Amino acid sequence: GENVEQHPSTLSVQEGDSAVIKCTYSDSASNYFPWYKQELGKRPQLIIDIRSNVGEKKDQRIAVTLNKTAKHFSLHITETQPEDSAVYFCAASIGGYSTLTFGKGTMLLVSP
Amino acid sequence: KAGVTQTPRYLIKTRGQQVTLSCSPISGHRSVSWYQQTPGQGLQFLFEYFSETQRNKGNFPGRFSGRQFSNSRSEMNVSTLELGDSALYLCASSPSNSGGTEQYFGPGTRLTVT
Repeated sequence: GENVEQHPSTLSVQEGDSAVIKCTYSDSASNYFPWYKQELGKRPQLIIDIRSNVGEKKDQRIAVTLNKTAKHFSLHITETQPEDSAVYFCAASIGGYSTLTFGKGTMLLVSP
Repeated sequence: KAGVTQTPRYLIKTRGQQVTLSCSPISGHRSVSWYQQTPGQGLQFLFEYFSETQRNKGNFPGRFSGRQFSNSRSEMNVSTLELGDSALYLCASSPSNSGGTEQYFGPGTRLTVT
């Protein structure tokens, strides 16, 4: 089955810096890659996603890139703010199924 | 539209008991997936239902089961509870019958087994 590796497990940045979280997946059949943000005690919230026919997608301060050849995808957050502090999860799914395989998560800490 | 809802939000059970958790998807969503979240294992897929049929199942023992009703509401059941079943159980609904579509999570049910 699919396996998703996520790095780093913890990331500390200063407010205004950029943050990058990287994931790799194992199954070349995967074609949908969402990112979720989970604040303490809250539900995972979908923040951005990308499909395999697209190399990059942006939404204001966040962007996701996908390298299908290397089976890598990354989340980029620019101009980080304290409210960006949360655990971020990457995931992958194979076309035709709604099953998501998640990475272990990255705890992002943004210091004022 | 109202979001995904789950009941109950918190449960405390004793080893050996069984428990039933409920999930109501976003109106119009026909796919419901269940996940177990623990600090050690992260988010792990349990099973997915679409139109009252289980379409996919994760690597969990048979003590974990589920079902979906004609209104798309779903329940999951855990029998003969073990201490290791303590976790946050999340359900997610999706608008489409095909993969590669957004999944929206409910607030979860926090299960504690003593």
